[in-house]
This record gives sequence, structure tokens and C-alpha cells, in this order.
Amino acid sequence: QITLKESGPTLVKPTQTLTLTCTFSGFSLSTSGVGVGWIRQPPGKALEWLALIYWNDDKRYSPSLKSRLTITKDTSKNQVVLTMTNMDPVDTATYYCAHSIAAAGDAFDIWGQGTMVTVSS
Amino acid sequence: SYELTQPPSVSVSPGQTARITCSGDALPKQYAYWYQQKPGQAPVLVIYKDSERPSGIPERFSGSSSGTTVTLTISGVQAEDEADYYCQSADSSGTYMVFGGGTKLTVL
Repeated sequence: QITLKESGPTLVKPTQTLTLTCTFSGFSLSTSGVGVGWIRQPPGKALEWLALIYWNDDKRYSPSLKSRLTITKDTSKNQVVLTMTNMDPVDTATYYCAHSIAAAGDAFDIWGQGTMVTVSS
Repeated sequence: SYELTQPPSVSVSPGQTARITCSGDALPKQYAYWYQQKPGQAPVLVIYKDSERPSGIPERFSGSSSGTTVTLTISGVQAEDEADYYCQSADSSGTYMVFGGGTKLTVL
């Protein structure tokens, strides 16, 4: 059974750097075809794709946020970390991590519960 | 940057067929995916690779593709299908992914 869980601060100040950790179980990020991505959703708004890291360390980023995002993986800890610099109140959102597998294309077939991050001074 | 366009809302009566469209220039080249999201919950994948249905998703959910438009069809809509639906796909080069703006399905 695949599960993912997001963790990190619930409140950050403007200009600070956000670090979110996705801890997963039920799969290995060293297995060919596997990926873990990050998606966010501001309150009452649409989903926004942020970043994705593959088993071979290939990394993809949203072009509009690429300069602020870094995604890394720690295969031994079953974790994926997303950092976002220079946080702004418009970055207030629920942040999700999700599993993808090549057999399903680039779909996110299993999602974490999400973690709400508020940006405010 | 690349965008996917969905209608903001669709309304149907129970038992009828709901069709939700998603338009994007790269859809002839890239697969589309559909997610259902109910209030306060994480999204759930209902269609992948344009028309494939994950295990556990009811047969009334189907997907199709024609040119620059993909369509999620829900046949025999039930009250429990009331939710927001999002399409997802990649840009023409497959470098990054995007979500559509979402469609709120209302079951009258």
C-alpha cells in the first residue's frame, strides 16, 4: 500500500524559504519509472503543478516558479524535499506531494493528504 | 507558458451524462489525465493516458481525445459525482506539466 505524507511549517514569513518534506512508504524512488511530484492549491483556487523528481534524479519544474524551487530526493530515507525561496502571501496554499509511475504516464495516482502553508508576517 | 482551458462549471441532473472538456494546443501530442476533488479532500485520479481508468474507478467515468480537446464523460451521473474536476497534461516538449483551471460539476 502506497502512502505519502507532507510535513513542514504551517506559517512562514514573507521572504523566508519554505522547506517541505514528503515521506512515503510502499514504493522505492530507486525503482525505474517512479516519480514524486509536488502540487499546490491556494484556498478556493485551482491546482498548480510545481515540480517532479524521477527515480533517475531527472527533475522538472514549473517554468513560472523554476527560479524559486529546488526538489531533491533521499532514497535511503524514502523522502522528497521541496524548497521554495522568497515566499510571498500569494504562496499561501495547501501543498500536496504525489506518486507517479511510468505505466500511468505522468499521472499522479496516489496523493498525500496535503499540508496547509500560510505566508504572513 | 502552456495553458489548459476548462469550463468553470457544468450542471446535470441525476442519471444524465456529464461532459467536461479540456483544451490545449499540445493535447494531440501529450496524454491527458483527469482528477476528481471533493471539498476538503486530496484529488483522486479518475482517468489516465486520455482514456484509461484506474482500478476502483466506476465504469461510468470515461475519457476521450479529439485534436486539441480531451473530454471526461460521466454517464448516469450520481449525486456523489458532484465535485471539482481537473485535467492535467504536459507542454509540447514534455518538459513540464500543467493543470487546467478546474470545472465544478453540479448535480441538480
